[in-house]
Amino acid sequence: QITLKESGPTLVKPTQTLTLTCTFSGFSLSTSGVGVGWIRQPPGKALEWLALIYWDDDKRYSPSLKSRLTITKDTSKNQVVLTMTNMDPVDTATYYCAHRRPWGGVTFDYWGQGTLVTVSS
Amino acid sequence: EIVLTQSPATLSLSPGERATLSCGASQSVSSSYLAWYQQKPGLAPRLLIYDASSRATGIPDRFSGSGSGTDFTLTISRLEPEDFAVYYCQQYGSSPNTFGQGTKLEIK
Repeated sequence: QITLKESGPTLVKPTQTLTLTCTFSGFSLSTSGVGVGWIRQPPGKALEWLALIYWDDDKRYSPSLKSRLTITKDTSKNQVVLTMTNMDPVDTATYYCAHRRPWGGVTFDYWGQGTLVTVSS
Repeated sequence: EIVLTQSPATLSLSPGERATLSCGASQSVSSSYLAWYQQKPGLAPRLLIYDASSRATGIPDRFSGSGSGTDFTLTISRLEPEDFAVYYCQQYGSSPNTFGQGTKLEIK
């Protein structure tokens, strides 16, 4: 079965760079159509899509955050890494990685449990 | 980007009743690329509906989606206790894909 799990720091200081790792199983990021995305959710607020990487290394970013985000994959390790630079307290949120449903548009059919990242000095 | 507006913000109903949740888009959603997710406290979202009306794997048939263009609806025909949660719509017909602000379905 498909599983994903996020890992990374729970606390970062303002201006620092956040690096999150998504480790997954049950699928391969070298299979045509497969993608892994990142979505975040500030406490008590709505979901916000951040980035997506496809099996062919095509990468998509939220326009509002594009300058601060980088998404990469390591197919041999079954991992996807998201980096976000210049962190600010407003970036405090639960960060999820998720498996893109392989057909049609970008919907997410399997999600990790999420990791809460707090930005504070 | 397309802005999704969900209504109502909160819906109070009793088990056994019918729930109707709405999602309005600021522009037409191409190909009816509209999804619905359910989220319970402390848990990740769960995909319920994609392509406006197709149920995801394992989703009970009391959940149904409809609509096209700028107006979409999620209907839960007969509420079960486990259905009380927050529901989000997502459009993925235009980049960037965007989510609505959510509707909280609470027990009356």
